[in-house]
Amino acid sequence: AQKVTQAQTEISVVEKEDVTLDCVYETRDTTYYLFWYKQPPSGELVFLIRRNSFDEQNEISGRYSWNFQKSTSSFNFTITASQVVDSAVYFCALSEAQSGNQFYFGTGTSLTVIP
Amino acid sequence: NAGVTQTPKFQVLKTGQSMTLQCAQDMNHEYMSWYRQDPGMGLRLIHYSVGAGITDQGEVPNGYNVSRSTTEDFPLRLLSAAPSQTSVYFCASSYGPGFGEQYFGPGTRLTVT
Repeated sequence: AQKVTQAQTEISVVEKEDVTLDCVYETRDTTYYLFWYKQPPSGELVFLIRRNSFDEQNEISGRYSWNFQKSTSSFNFTITASQVVDSAVYFCALSEAQSGNQFYFGTGTSLTVIP
Repeated sequence: NAGVTQTPKFQVLKTGQSMTLQCAQDMNHEYMSWYRQDPGMGLRLIHYSVGAGITDQGEVPNGYNVSRSTTEDFPLRLLSAAPSQTSVYFCASSYGPGFGEQYFGPGTRLTVT
């Protein structure tokens, strides 16, 4: 079973629109971490955020915000006023502190921001 | 700190050839891993290591070998390359799945003809 599901394969938005990337995870651990990574066209993987399971506060960093809801096992990522430079593939990931030694990645969402 | 380094950046192999992808980190991380990235399939774990001398298989280990003789290095060996191994390979390191994010190398683009 997929531990991290990113149901949106591709999204296109027009510049300055807001866009939300969905991430749903599955775990039985009480202690876990959730991550978002960005992979721009240049190919490197850029770490964006880490959230632990005990901190449900939403976070905002500039135009980026993250909504963590344990009740729905979701960790969604919103880009406000999107820009062309936001065009990339975005990956959500999960790691479990107790029951495994692996990081689990979703299949990614490819975001295209049209000027 | 150099972070996570990978060599080579690009490689073309013929079917049946062998090669080693190199990965090194200078952050004293115990946990290291190899992923392959194929279109539409995200990152799939090949092998990982929780410390020197300890390795384990991930989701797609067939056709690959690893060893971890030092904390810094985690090479990935292709014993007999196949076209199905054409992919982009990423090495990553961290303090461990329960301790924070992974740091990724720049990737190796491998083509097997």
